[in-house]
Amino acid sequence: DQQVKQNSPSLSVQEGRISILNCDYTNSMFDYFLWYKKYPAEGPTFLISISSIKDKNEDGRFTVFLNKSAKHLSLHIVPSQPGDSAVYFCAALDSGGYQKVTFGIGTKLQVIP
Amino acid sequence: DTGVSQNPRHKITKRGQNVTFRCDPISEHNRLYWYRQTLGQGPEFLTYFQNEAQLEKSRLLSDRFSAERPKGSFSTLEIQRTEQGDSAMYLCASSLFLGSTGNYGYTFGSGTRLTVV
Repeated sequence: DQQVKQNSPSLSVQEGRISILNCDYTNSMFDYFLWYKKYPAEGPTFLISISSIKDKNEDGRFTVFLNKSAKHLSLHIVPSQPGDSAVYFCAALDSGGYQKVTFGIGTKLQVIP
Repeated sequence: DTGVSQNPRHKITKRGQNVTFRCDPISEHNRLYWYRQTLGQGPEFLTYFQNEAQLEKSRLLSDRFSAERPKGSFSTLEIQRTEQGDSAMYLCASSLFLGSTGNYGYTFGSGTRLTVV
């Protein structure tokens, strides 16, 4: 049962353009959402998060949008840089529960110079 | 603070052998989590500790798997009688859980890559 879904396994974007990574979730108990970035042979590193009480959170070039009614979130990277090339995991947790993080399968982003 | 440290980084073992991995969390973190990541998948939750108490175990954690956190600091994950299907990246994470105030600083280590031959 995939509670966090990332339906695009890969995405290629030109340097300087916008990258949009999408994520859908099914568990209505999830109330905190995170994006992690992972390079090969390294653990995931935290990128940005959003609480369900917000619909947008921005940190520099990274913005996460949350649409609770659609159970959908997206990560926007503007402008995209070659160093952004990595696998991006969408993740969610139920802050009222044990707070284990449930991950999607990831989207591999390639930013082409 | 050097973050979450995992050892070894890589382990190759023969099928049927036992292996043990170690995780040293961020020192002030009271929660420690183990995840497993296989190729093409996101990390999957295995188990977690709050201090020394193991509070949840996933059904993915078969009887051959055991995790401990004896003094509420470092943790070990042991796999007995390894199988080829155990080949994966084993990730550890830690966080500071302050109850209703929130869960902070969720940080992953670099992982231990296990190859069972």
